[in-house]
Formats: sequence, C-alpha cells, structure tokens
Amino acid sequence: SQQGEEDPQALSIQEGENATMNCSYKTSINNLQWYRQNSGRGLVHLILIRSNEREKHSGRLRVTLDTSKKSSSLLITASRAADTASYFCATAPVSGTYKYIFGTGTRLKVLA
Amino acid sequence: DVKVTQSSRYLVKRTGEKVFLECVQDMDHENMFWYRQDPGLGLRLIYFSYDVKMKEKGDIPEGYSVSREKKERFSLILESASTNQTSMYLCASSFAARGSQPQHFGDGTRLSIL
Repeated sequence: SQQGEEDPQALSIQEGENATMNCSYKTSINNLQWYRQNSGRGLVHLILIRSNEREKHSGRLRVTLDTSKKSSSLLITASRAADTASYFCATAPVSGTYKYIFGTGTRLKVLA
Repeated sequence: DVKVTQSSRYLVKRTGEKVFLECVQDMDHENMFWYRQDPGLGLRLIYFSYDVKMKEKGDIPEGYSVSREKKERFSLILESASTNQTSMYLCASSFAARGSQPQHFGDGTRLSIL
C-alpha cells in the first residue's frame, strides 16, 4: 500500500453526526496535512499538524497525530451537508525533497 | 486570497497532438506542482519546480515535460498525447520551505484524449 492511506474509503452519515477519517503512512514525516476536495474542483487545505504536535483544532475540525503508530485522524464535528466532499491526507517526508505524498482519499457524504 | 488559475476546466484533444496546460499563481510562491488525479489512485506527482527554470521529475514524468520561464507560470506539456493521459490535471503552488507549507490548488483541467 502507498504512503498516506485513508480509511474508510467512503463514509455516509446524517447531518449533525461526527465524521472520523483515518490516515496511515509509512515513513517519518515533517508534517501531515488534510485537504478537502469538492466534486470536480481542486483541493483546499484544511489543517497542518507538525510531527512534534499531537492534536490540533480548527473550528469544527480536530486532527490528531500519533507518530509512533504512523497514523492521523480527522474528526469533523456536527457535520453539515456542505461537508460532503473527499478528504485527503498528505505527508511531507523527512527524507525529502519538496514532494508531498497524497493518499487516495475518503469520500464523505452527509445526508440532510 | 491565493489564487491558482488553470487555463481550461475542460479540454478535448486527439491522440498525437501536443497539448499545453497552463497554470498561473498570484502569490509569488517559489514552488509549483503538477499532479494527475485518477479514480482509486489519488494524486500522483508529475513534475514540480522550486524556482524559475528549475524542475524535478515526480513519480510519473513519462510522456510529459514542463516549462517555467516566469515565477508565476508553470506549464505542463504532453508531447504526443495518448488516450492513457486522459485524466484530471491539478496544478498547485506553495512557499519554499520544504514540505512545511500548505499547497494551494487550482480547480483542475479535465483532459480527454480521443
């Protein structure tokens, strides 16, 4: 499997519920970022968490990072129909270059 | 707000044609990137550029080339288009610090090669 694997691949919830998405990666990282992509559009940056941080909040978003398990989770609280989108994690490996490694994404559908 | 503009949202070309995809950013970002996005494969990096006239191959550079003559503009060139290059192409830009800056994306070009 590739660096930055999101789980689940697809998620369907009711408006007002919380949505949790997970990301696993393989190599040591400088930081991990989450992006949202509405259908047919480009990606929008949501939040960046550095390797020395464990948790970060932004509005209704909460991101955790566990470097020992090489995993991250994105929690969207009190979801809205407008949150319907695909969500991607992207890692910036320590070894690197300027490359960011994106996962294959979680498709979230929030039902009104 | 950062704006990354891709010249076309939709493009249809024929096999063998030389295809140019243009991307312009207005935030004086040093880094620019071209990705392709295919169902089930996520985003794959084709090329990136960290300065004017500087470029590095990404994971799937075969069949593509790039040009960066000015800081704000990064062009992707399909030298001889083939049907397996039908895809969504995304351009992105960021400030220079390696991997520590968020990327800003354009809205993508959905390219069909017939």
